[in-house]
Amino acid sequence: AQSVTQLDSHVSVSEGTPVLLRCNYSSSYSPSLFWYVQHPNKGLQLLLKYTSAATLVKGINGFEAEFKKSETSFHLTKPSAHMSDAAEYFCVVSELSSNYQLIWGAGTKLIIKP
Amino acid sequence: DTEVTQTPKHLVMGMTNKKSLKCEQHMGHRAMYWYKQKAKKPPELMFVYSYEKLSINESVPSRFSPECPNSSLLNLHLHALQPEDSALYLCASSQAWSEDPGGYTFGSGTRLTVV
Repeated sequence: AQSVTQLDSHVSVSEGTPVLLRCNYSSSYSPSLFWYVQHPNKGLQLLLKYTSAATLVKGINGFEAEFKKSETSFHLTKPSAHMSDAAEYFCVVSELSSNYQLIWGAGTKLIIKP
Repeated sequence: DTEVTQTPKHLVMGMTNKKSLKCEQHMGHRAMYWYKQKAKKPPELMFVYSYEKLSINESVPSRFSPECPNSSLLNLHLHALQPEDSALYLCASSQAWSEDPGGYTFGSGTRLTVV
């Protein structure tokens, strides 16, 4: 069965410093992996996705993530945080065995300090 | 058009009211979804429509009634709701159900408050 673990419920960084949001997954098959972002009182926006192509995936707003099969990880990074990055971030996995239904992590709240 | 549009954005309803949430997409997607999201939690899947047919009902109470009039529209009819049904209701679409979706497109949601 699939599952997703986001290792931090809250991450706090200063503006201009790097961001690291950690995600580990379990999957029986070849998974597709996603990061979604949700700003306060807003809907969900797809940041980036991995679907068995390049292991380093670039997304919107300067975010990127690296798929590491040996570590079953899909961590999200950004070199320099901006105040507008403050939001909730969800790591998501899907695979063929569950009809590609989205399996969600619990979320990580990113706090940006001025 | 790469958006999913949901109306209304906010809704307050009494426990005896009947109301409907609406969702529209014009991306040619053949799968559409309703999710419920409580504060500080990830979204929970409620219903899946594939090619305008209900494919998944995640044991949702009958006071929630989905409808898919055509490939672009998805409604959620609400009746006799309880205060615990207050939440953000999100609509999403993808190219197809049970195929690698490549990611869903979400609407901005309807914030529902039941009084």
